[in-house]
Amino acid sequence: GQQVMQIPQYQHVQEGEDFTTYCNSSTTLSNIQWYKQRPGGHPVFLIQLVKSGEVKKQKRLTFQFGEAKKNSSLHITATQTTDVGTYFCAGQILGFGNEKLTFGTGTRLTIIP
Amino acid sequence: DTGVSQNPRHKITKRGQNVTFRCDPISEHNRLYWYRQTLGQGPEFLTYFQNEAQLEKSRLLSDRFSAERPKGSFSTLEIQRTEQGDSAMYLCASSLGGNQETQYFGPGTRLLVL
Repeated sequence: GQQVMQIPQYQHVQEGEDFTTYCNSSTTLSNIQWYKQRPGGHPVFLIQLVKSGEVKKQKRLTFQFGEAKKNSSLHITATQTTDVGTYFCAGQILGFGNEKLTFGTGTRLTIIP
Repeated sequence: DTGVSQNPRHKITKRGQNVTFRCDPISEHNRLYWYRQTLGQGPEFLTYFQNEAQLEKSRLLSDRFSAERPKGSFSTLEIQRTEQGDSAMYLCASSLGGNQETQYFGPGTRLLVL
């Protein structure tokens, strides 16, 4: 079955440093979505990437979708304490009547003030 | 609050008991999903409804699990004869139903089976 891997599993950074998490799918995706989950919270949608090679920015966050639509990355510039949480990528394969998300294992980001 | 709501937020039960969770999706959303999340893992798909029709069930969903969405609005997830391995966060998500629609998650129900 489809698998989505994410690295690293944990990342500790000093406040102000950059952070990147990488996502790899075993199969070509229709789209990839990114979610943030705060400790004790639920996944909150950040963004969706659909096109091959797509790059989207949200303030300090930059999201990329690979040319082969099998990998993606999230980069945060100059981290802040509010960035703390676990970042999940989730892939979708459309066309089979089910739009379930297959989530990666997540990258837990902690910030050292 | 017009987001996805779930009840109860927390449930502690003894092994062997039955439990039922409820999910109220965002109104007008015709797709509803159930996921399960264990500590340190990403959410795993359990089952999915298009209106009242249950269209797919994961192999994770044993015979002890059943989900319904009788009127195409709220949904219930029942676990019979709970086991300690059922302890997890049960998340519900909904989407409008168009192509590549965003799924919006509820706050989850955290189940602890003693």
